[in-house]
Amino acid sequence: GQQVMQIPQYQHVQEGEDFTTYCNSSTTLSNIQWYKQRPGGHPVFLIQLVKSGEVKKQKRLTFQFGEAKKNSSLHITATQTTDVGTYFCAGKNSGYSTLTFGKGTMLLVSP
Amino acid sequence: GAVVSQHPSWVICKSGTSVKIECRSLDFQATTMFWYRQFPKQSLMLMATSNEGSKATYEQGVEKDKFLINHASLTLSTLTVTSAHPEDSSFYICSARDRGTGFAGELFFGEGSRLTVL
Repeated sequence: GQQVMQIPQYQHVQEGEDFTTYCNSSTTLSNIQWYKQRPGGHPVFLIQLVKSGEVKKQKRLTFQFGEAKKNSSLHITATQTTDVGTYFCAGKNSGYSTLTFGKGTMLLVSP
Repeated sequence: GAVVSQHPSWVICKSGTSVKIECRSLDFQATTMFWYRQFPKQSLMLMATSNEGSKATYEQGVEKDKFLINHASLTLSTLTVTSAHPEDSSFYICSARDRGTGFAGELFFGEGSRLTVL
């Protein structure tokens, strides 16, 4: 079955530092989605990437989809305390109806 | 945005009893809903895919007789934890996809239900 690996598992940064989480799939994906889960909350959709090499930005967040559509990254510039939470990638293989979630990267930002 | 309501948000029960958790899509129809289990500081573990009007599809290792899923309408799926035991204590989350977006649409998550079995 498809597997989605996500690293790092955990990262602690000082406010203002940058942060990146990486996602790798064992198979080629038809699309990849990113979600954020605040402590005590539920996952919330951030974005979906579909095209090979696609780059999308949401304010300080930059999302990339690899050329081979097997990896993706989320980069946060100048982190803020409001960025605290766990970021999950979720990939979909064209042969499946379900998304496979990575294990998530827990981000802690110290003021 | 679309809203998925999950109820109850938390429940405490005695060992051996059954607990039902409801997942409702409030402003869209969902032919497919998903049930997850999440342990503290860990990822979402997909338990089963709930299909409206048909049997749920369970992931490997998930006991279908233990976790009963019913998806009787396009806006409601229920998960019943039967004969609950302390090891079933966990955070259960559902998600749903708007039927109009097909398989590629984003997932909308419920608020989750924290189950504690004494």
